[in-house]
Amino acid sequence: NAGVTQTPKFQVLKTGQSMTLQCAQDMNHNSMYWYRQDPGMGLRLIYYSASEGTTDKGEVPNGYNVSRLNKREFSLRLESAAPSQTSVYFCASSENWGGQETQYFGPGTRLLVL
Amino acid sequence: GDSVTQMEGPVTLSEEAFLTINCTYTATGYPSLFWYVQYPGEGLQLLLKATKADDKGSNKGFEATYRKETTSFHLEKGSVQVSDSAVYFCALRRYGSSNTGKLIFGQGTTLQVKP
Repeated sequence: NAGVTQTPKFQVLKTGQSMTLQCAQDMNHNSMYWYRQDPGMGLRLIYYSASEGTTDKGEVPNGYNVSRLNKREFSLRLESAAPSQTSVYFCASSENWGGQETQYFGPGTRLLVL
Repeated sequence: GDSVTQMEGPVTLSEEAFLTINCTYTATGYPSLFWYVQYPGEGLQLLLKATKADDKGSNKGFEATYRKETTSFHLEKGSVQVSDSAVYFCALRRYGSSNTGKLIFGQGTTLQVKP
């Protein structure tokens, strides 16, 4: 029972490089989310997908793009990485958007941009 | 806008001590309130939740009561263990608007329990 998986676990990038963070869930959830976690700031929502085929901006979307590839997978892309994007990125999923459902989190991807 | 404020950490306790982590919130309407826990090297896990005023959420010996009059949701445990060492996040989710699915997190409080 894998739950929410994320790859890679850790990545170092140079400023201006691009990369895609992958996320998959095996719980047949409709909604998926990307958060970033920075010291002293808790988690902030970057983008979310309320259901397959839809994506919407969260609190801090600048510099990121997302793709809901299918019901299981939700990727986050950094087109031109900046040092300000150094953070820990968490993917999460929930059965539906807007209900009482719990959000389940992946183990995170630690990204360092030099 | 909606926000959650937690007490500054780290909180360092000896095993079997009493734990309180303060959490207050600002929100319009009637949010649901959550405590998440993050163990070292892992993602966040839901610890407990409360969906309306005066509800008490509880799990694994932890408790928190939704106090609308003081806009608070303080986390308590009567006797902490070394295995409780983690980062604890208070969060809210507001219903009845286009933002209903979004979680708003506090900054997190690190708990260290020493044997």
